[in-house]
Amino acid sequence: EDKVVQSPLSLVVHEGDTVTLNCSYEVTNFRSLLWYKQEKKAPTFLFMLTSSGIEKKSGRLSSILDKKELSSILNITATQTGDSAIYLCAHTGTASKLTFGTGTRLQVTL
Amino acid sequence: GAVVSQHPSWVICKSGTSVKIECRSLDFQATTMFWYRQFPKQSLMLMATSNEGSKATYEQGVEKDKFLINHASLTLSTLTVTSAHPEDSSFYICSATGPNPETQYFGPGTRLLVL
Repeated sequence: EDKVVQSPLSLVVHEGDTVTLNCSYEVTNFRSLLWYKQEKKAPTFLFMLTSSGIEKKSGRLSSILDKKELSSILNITATQTGDSAIYLCAHTGTASKLTFGTGTRLQVTL
Repeated sequence: GAVVSQHPSWVICKSGTSVKIECRSLDFQATTMFWYRQFPKQSLMLMATSNEGSKATYEQGVEKDKFLINHASLTLSTLTVTSAHPEDSSFYICSATGPNPETQYFGPGTRLLVL
């Protein structure tokens, strides 16, 4: 059974700080790793990672996959209160089924 | 971009009644739709995978007679929670894949509260 674990579970930072969220996985047949941001509704897509060592970037957010370590990180620089959300990591398995991690709840305070 | 809608957004019902939740892909044909459930402060758990015109595939531990899924067309899937009980109260989210099976588009979710 595929397993995705995220850390930390919860994080509170001040606006302007940089944060790094972790995701590790144990899967039978790796296809891709996805990052999502979830506020009050359904998750919104951030990144899809398939190749090790290639950084994906979107504004202040970036993510990279390390297949050797079976992990990925999501970085957010110069955090803003609008970044407060749950960040979910998921593995795409057979038949496009997603296995989600526990999520990291990020709160950015003024 | 691809848009998935869900209806209703919120539903409150009495214990023992059945509730139907619709998931529609608005501007693409969804070959596969997925139904997830999310309890407070927990992650999304896949309940079932549905392909148009065929029976849904349920994850282990999900009762298929309790959570009826119908995928009648390439743009519509429905989840019916039969004889709902308070423990079924949750956030139900659907997603759909289009031409690229690697990308899932999520609906806005439906909050169900069973009294």
